[in-house]
Amino acid sequence: SQQGEEDPQALSIQEGENATMNCSYKTSINNLQWYRQNSGRGLVHLILIRSNEREKHSGRLRVTLDTSKKSSSLLITASRAADTASYFCATDARNSGYALNFGKGTSLLVTP
Amino acid sequence: DGGITQSPKYLFRKEGQNVTLSCEQNLNHDAMYWYRQDPGQGLRLIYYSQIVNDFQKGDIAEGYSVSREKKESFPLTVTSAQKNPTAFYLCASSGGLPQFFGPGTRLTVL
Repeated sequence: SQQGEEDPQALSIQEGENATMNCSYKTSINNLQWYRQNSGRGLVHLILIRSNEREKHSGRLRVTLDTSKKSSSLLITASRAADTASYFCATDARNSGYALNFGKGTSLLVTP
Repeated sequence: DGGITQSPKYLFRKEGQNVTLSCEQNLNHDAMYWYRQDPGQGLRLIYYSQIVNDFQKGDIAEGYSVSREKKESFPLTVTSAQKNPTAFYLCASSGGLPQFFGPGTRLTVL
């Protein structure tokens, strides 16, 4: 089942600007992950945040998690054209091993 | 994509035919997964396997079958019972979190 829901569906910015994507989910989670997908390719893991964490950084990425609001945000600072991709949040699917529930994604376009 | 291979990259099938998508990993991961992605959509879980010789249905298993005879391999068969098989199929593996994805197979039914 698709638990996550990203917002906005599409985002267009210029190089150097920051990009913020949001994810909302419905049921309680153990962790939340963000993945990137370049057009027609597989997914690449970006960052994982556990339910007891509120914020996490990795390079130009900053992820926040608000379990009371069942929401997360992904901030990409100083965007580059190479950041152009679709970004998905994924939550763990309980009772399904480590299988994930994915949202529909945010399509990010970074123009030079 | 490293460590997980999927073949073929593109696959064309006539209606009524079964086709098998290959997924191989050399990451020594116990768990493997198959997801389906439709245009503009997220990924939906078809089947997953946590250990050799065992697998479980995901959210959209109807019309699909899998086997897990070896740790490295988790082939997916799209049967003629799958009504709308045209999609992008992604295989993943994990030794916990996170999951690592293959490059995908794009299946088109003619």
